[in-house]
Amino acid sequence: DTAVSQTPKYLVTQMGNDKSIKCEQNLGHDTMYWYKQDSKKFLKIMFSYNNKELIINETVPNRFSPKSPDKAHLNLHINSLELGDSAVYFCASSPGNINEKLFFGSGTQLSVL
Amino acid sequence: GESVGLHLPTLSVQEGDNSIINCAYSNSASDYFIWYKQESGKGPQFIIDIRSNMDKRQGQRVTVLLNKTVKHLSLQIAATQPGDSAVYFCAENRPTDSWGKFQFGAGTQVVVTP
Repeated sequence: DTAVSQTPKYLVTQMGNDKSIKCEQNLGHDTMYWYKQDSKKFLKIMFSYNNKELIINETVPNRFSPKSPDKAHLNLHINSLELGDSAVYFCASSPGNINEKLFFGSGTQLSVL
Repeated sequence: GESVGLHLPTLSVQEGDNSIINCAYSNSASDYFIWYKQESGKGPQFIIDIRSNMDKRQGQRVTVLLNKTVKHLSLQIAATQPGDSAVYFCAENRPTDSWGKFQFGAGTQVVVTP
């Protein structure tokens, strides 16, 4: 069983569209994250949620709205997609009660045309 | 071979040799460090971590060294294998950062040649 799973794997869409990426973890972790990886492989945190509450919001445009219906799920909705949003988006999780390593999903490659 | 891992350089290593990947981290207050391995089309995978109260930590075929004086972290891979080909990232976390907020280095591409 995949520990952190995200869908879809690939997402190709037109500028201006709205899209969502879903993430689920079955590790029983309390904290979940969204990281963005650009074309140069640079990884940067976007958001984190702990037990459904927003903990980190790294000055991401408000076109990006994370939603956590429960602590096992963290979805990312993106409105009015722009060319610069093209990247690989990774969901991750960690236990959350201590500073520990992150477990990453396999990524969603978003291409905005 | 050796490489500095902040601008995605490529480290070419012959199978069976030892690899050394270097990372200069940014903040002297950082107290937790992780090395991740990312294979093509996959997410980063944990390799080994070290906290600032240690200088060295060993895992299976991997060793992480931490030099706080010069803010330097290295990953040594013994007897490098074809399956070690990947991009390797160092990541740091500062005491003032929230859990899980890691600053990642730019990565080093390791290519293992037969």
